[in-house]
Amino acid sequence: KAGVTQTPRYLIKTRGQQVTLSCSPISGHRSVSWYQQTPGQGLQFLFEYFSETQRNKGNFPGRFSGRQFSNSRSEMNVSTLELGDSALYLCASSLVAPRGTGELFFGEGSRLTVL
Amino acid sequence: GNSVTQMEGPVTLSEEAFLTINCTYTATGYPSLFWYVQYPGEGLQLLLKATKADDKGSNKGFEATYRKETTSFHLEKGSVQVSDSAVYFCALRRDSGGYQKVTFGTGTKLQVIP
Repeated sequence: KAGVTQTPRYLIKTRGQQVTLSCSPISGHRSVSWYQQTPGQGLQFLFEYFSETQRNKGNFPGRFSGRQFSNSRSEMNVSTLELGDSALYLCASSLVAPRGTGELFFGEGSRLTVL
Repeated sequence: GNSVTQMEGPVTLSEEAFLTINCTYTATGYPSLFWYVQYPGEGLQLLLKATKADDKGSNKGFEATYRKETTSFHLEKGSVQVSDSAVYFCALRRDSGGYQKVTFGTGTKLQVIP
């Protein structure tokens, strides 16, 4: 079974630009979560989608948004990029209870550098 | 709200040393507890889990016991190897309002030297 796939793996943008990251979950997984990982702040929750609906959202500004499609693939978008948005963005998929055990399956991440 | 507190890193050990990484949590009810590991350049992967009090999760020589009385889930390994060098994250999952919410600790970097 294929794992969680994130694209692109690496990207460089300049301040003020916008970026879209993509995540394809494991087949059959309908829950997709996004996390931002930085050396200073650690792993921070961005949002979670289930069946095309955002169910949970972390404390990030409105510049960060996401969506989920009917095939469970998800995208996240960051507009008006700032230097502080440089980070590794991780996507995770999971089966939802009662079928799931709560385990998150992570992709390898998209490393964003903002210059 | 829910929270997870891990010991500060980095932790540097010699090969074959004993490892303990402390993790305590705050949550209402009965959360499930997890340890995830992140190797350099990779995403996180599940190391072990425990879903109820007194459960012991184990994998690849690592163990952790769900202690409700002390709200802890400390990670241990009797003899570490260089290949165990990675960042370790403690996490809890709490079912709330019909969906699952996962809270991660800040991560503890482990470096094992030959």
